[in-house]
Amino acid sequence: EPEVTQTPSHQVTQMGQEVILRCVPISNHLYFYWYRQILGQKVEFLVSFYNNEISEKSEIFDDQFSVERPDGSNFTLKIRSTKLEDSAMYFCASSPRRTGGFGDYGYTFGSGTRLTVV
Amino acid sequence: SQQGEEDPQALSIQEGENATMNCSYKTSINNLQWYRQNSGRGLVHLILIRSNEREKHSGRLRVTLDTSKKSSSLLITASRAADTASYFCAYTGNQFYFGTGTSLTVIP
Repeated sequence: EPEVTQTPSHQVTQMGQEVILRCVPISNHLYFYWYRQILGQKVEFLVSFYNNEISEKSEIFDDQFSVERPDGSNFTLKIRSTKLEDSAMYFCASSPRRTGGFGDYGYTFGSGTRLTVV
Repeated sequence: SQQGEEDPQALSIQEGENATMNCSYKTSINNLQWYRQNSGRGLVHLILIRSNEREKHSGRLRVTLDTSKKSSSLLITASRAADTASYFCAYTGNQFYFGTGTSLTVIP
């Protein structure tokens, strides 16, 4: 079963530091996403990425955040200057197509990176 | 907010019983999906139901969709202790939204 791989599984960083969360989506998928889940809260959409550009982003995804697909396999989320409230589980997901259409495709999610900002 | 709501928020049942979780949403959808999340772990896709479908089965899972009421339900039959997890509905409106989740505990 193809998997979405996220590294690291847990990252601790000091407030104000930059962090890069890494994801390797499924190889033939075209759409990529980042979500986050603050402990005990809802899963929240951050950003979607297609054809090497952001297709949608939420109000959470401000100028501190950026995404990149640097080499055709990795998909990264960068937080420039972390804040305490950025502490959360960050999930990467990929899909072969937008699930807005028909087709029995869900998203495939990675197991997440737990980011702790101290 | 167009985020969905699920109820109950928490459900505790005995092994072998059926578990039913409900999801209500606010926007028109193309499809609705259910995901499972074990504590602190990633999200696992369980089942997808299209907006023109009313019911779908996958193993011990049964999903219904009522677009007139903007609601869906997930039924897990003959529950097992290993089914203990949080269950989320998710759907596409102009974005991809997750419900608030139901925490299911199956007591052996």
